[in-house]
Amino acid sequence: GESVGLHLPTLSVQEGDNSIINCAYSNSASDYFIWYKQESGKGPQFIIDIRSNMDKRQGQRVTVLLNKTVKHLSLQIAATQPGDSAVYFCAENTGNQFYFGTGTSLTVIP
Amino acid sequence: EPEVTQTPSHQVTQMGQEVILRCVPISNHLYFYWYRQILGQKVEFLVSFYNNEISEKSEIFDDQFSVERPDGSNFTLKIRSTKLEDSAMYFCASSATGEDTQYFGPGTRLTVL
Repeated sequence: GESVGLHLPTLSVQEGDNSIINCAYSNSASDYFIWYKQESGKGPQFIIDIRSNMDKRQGQRVTVLLNKTVKHLSLQIAATQPGDSAVYFCAENTGNQFYFGTGTSLTVIP
Repeated sequence: EPEVTQTPSHQVTQMGQEVILRCVPISNHLYFYWYRQILGQKVEFLVSFYNNEISEKSEIFDDQFSVERPDGSNFTLKIRSTKLEDSAMYFCASSATGEDTQYFGPGTRLTVL
């Protein structure tokens, strides 16, 4: 029978290039956002977070940009490495709940 | 580095049976969560727990589900009478406060036959 599931957006990048992964969130009242990385068979792993009073936050090789006007979040990964291959998804916090996006599958080509 | 642990890594059960999934959150964290992820789908919130009581729960978390913190370290999710559609990865998470980073465990894969 036909399998049921979500078709993730995919992104393929060459090793060493920069990656940009986008996320649209739904609730304008959300005040805290997190990017997670999920490798096959593992739990989500925190990458970087940002609060709604900020537009940009930088970590090691990663930058998160928040555009509250259009409810858009992006994750930039500099000098992408093969170990960055995974599903990336954003989560928005509203009240005490986190709502997760469907994710983007990143493949790094050596 | 402290981490969230979960046991078992894989649980196989018959439909209608009860299962208990176990989690040990990070020791100084006060907020605990359960999520599930059906294969190929997104992570879905089930329940949050603080100060020995449920603080939020989703529509998925019906009367078949319950959570407990039986002692100072464990946090459990019980499914009373499992259904086929309960088959999923179940993730436990914890955070220091209710509004900061949640750290996830490796998950328990539940298979209901």
